[in-house]
Amino acid sequence: DIQMTQSPSSLSASVGDRVTITCRASQSIRRYLNWYQQKPGEAPKLLISTASTLQSGVPSRFSGSGSGTDFTLTISSLQSEDFATYYCQQSYTGAYSFGQGTKLE
Amino acid sequence: QVQLQESGPRLVKPSETLALTCAVSGYSISSGYYWGWIRQSPARGLEWIGSIYYGGTAYYNPSLKSRVTMSVDTSQNQISLNLSSVTATDTAVYYCVRHGPGEVTVDYWGQGALVTVSS
Repeated sequence: DIQMTQSPSSLSASVGDRVTITCRASQSIRRYLNWYQQKPGEAPKLLISTASTLQSGVPSRFSGSGSGTDFTLTISSLQSEDFATYYCQQSYTGAYSFGQGTKLE
Repeated sequence: QVQLQESGPRLVKPSETLALTCAVSGYSISSGYYWGWIRQSPARGLEWIGSIYYGGTAYYNPSLKSRVTMSVDTSQNQISLNLSSVTATDTAVYYCVRHGPGEVTVDYWGQGALVTVSS
């Protein structure tokens, strides 16, 4: 099974901050990496697919990069609506596993 | 607008079978895409359970494969999930989802159904 490890688990930030979340896969997943945002009481929402493809309607302050085993999600200037939990997910094979989440506070 | 709505018993006894249905509106299942289930619990996080194509081809998480059965009903435009021999660790919010072929990249999610396993 491919294990996905996110860091940090939680992050304290302020509006306007530049924020970076990392995700590491236990083996190469090429660029098959997605990022989701989840707010309390809601289902996750797809932000970025295949490591860096921004989904329609997602603000351009969100960006993703990486390949192989190491990936990052960056929010260039944090807005109040961005306080949420973020998950990475490998869409390469097997159990299509998720990271444990990073809570932005 | 694609909408997915989960339904089914919210309380299941240990060792019994959890059964959920997902009604899809705004899109015909027969038009394509894969349809599946993802669950979320504090202990296990987000976990993909399995996916099915309208023709009936299904694939499952290897760790759950022995207990999972999924089916599709194109006439009702819905999919179903059966998870057998449940224990307390199967308590979770179960989401019905849609994703494209070849990889599980979920573009639509249902609102989720909290299912509790307890006697």
